[in-house]
Amino acid sequence: DAKTTQPNSMESNEEEPVHLPCNHSTISGTDYIHWYRQLPSQGPEYVIHGLTSNVNNRMASLAIAEDRKSSTLILHRATLRDAAVYYCFPSGGSQGNLIFGKGTKLSVKP
Amino acid sequence: DSGVTQTPKHLITATGQRVTLRCSPRSGDLSVYWYQQSLDQGLQFLIQYYNGEERAKGNILERFSAQQFPDLHSELNLSSLELGDSALYFCASNSQGAYNSPLHFGNGTRLTVT
Repeated sequence: DAKTTQPNSMESNEEEPVHLPCNHSTISGTDYIHWYRQLPSQGPEYVIHGLTSNVNNRMASLAIAEDRKSSTLILHRATLRDAAVYYCFPSGGSQGNLIFGKGTKLSVKP
Repeated sequence: DSGVTQTPKHLITATGQRVTLRCSPRSGDLSVYWYQQSLDQGLQFLIQYYNGEERAKGNILERFSAQQFPDLHSELNLSSLELGDSALYFCASNSQGAYNSPLHFGNGTRLTVT
């Protein structure tokens, strides 16, 4: 299984950009990189995923390193509602199951 | 709203008992996944079904079993319950069961075993 490494926690100020890093050094060529987040007392919520190119959607941007061994989730302007645990993991071709790790707990200060 | 419905929201039962958790996937989704989330273990993948057939198995105990019915809803059965089974149980669905396709999660069933 591909292993992922994320910081246990990060802090941000409201309305500032946030860059959440993830290392997935053993990712295979056919695995997509997925990001989910889990707000308190809720189920995980899909944020974004990508294969090789950087991806944007209404929630966030995903920057993928050229060697695909790391990625960064970018929240352009953090809000209090973005305080959550953010999970990153590779999945797809060879990875099989969607395996969540411990994630990064993001705190947003007003 | 993800479109995935889980019932009940809360369940309190005693050790040794058996419970059934129910999940209705998002309309049109054929694949259902079950996850367990406890404080010390994080989100653990249990099992996946696709169109009624088991597709993948994770860290699911032998005391636990699941099935997906012809109408695509799924049930997770937990038996001989132990205190350590207390956790949040999440169901998720996606359209074709492909691992590069986003999952849509329900809000979970909180199980407390006393």
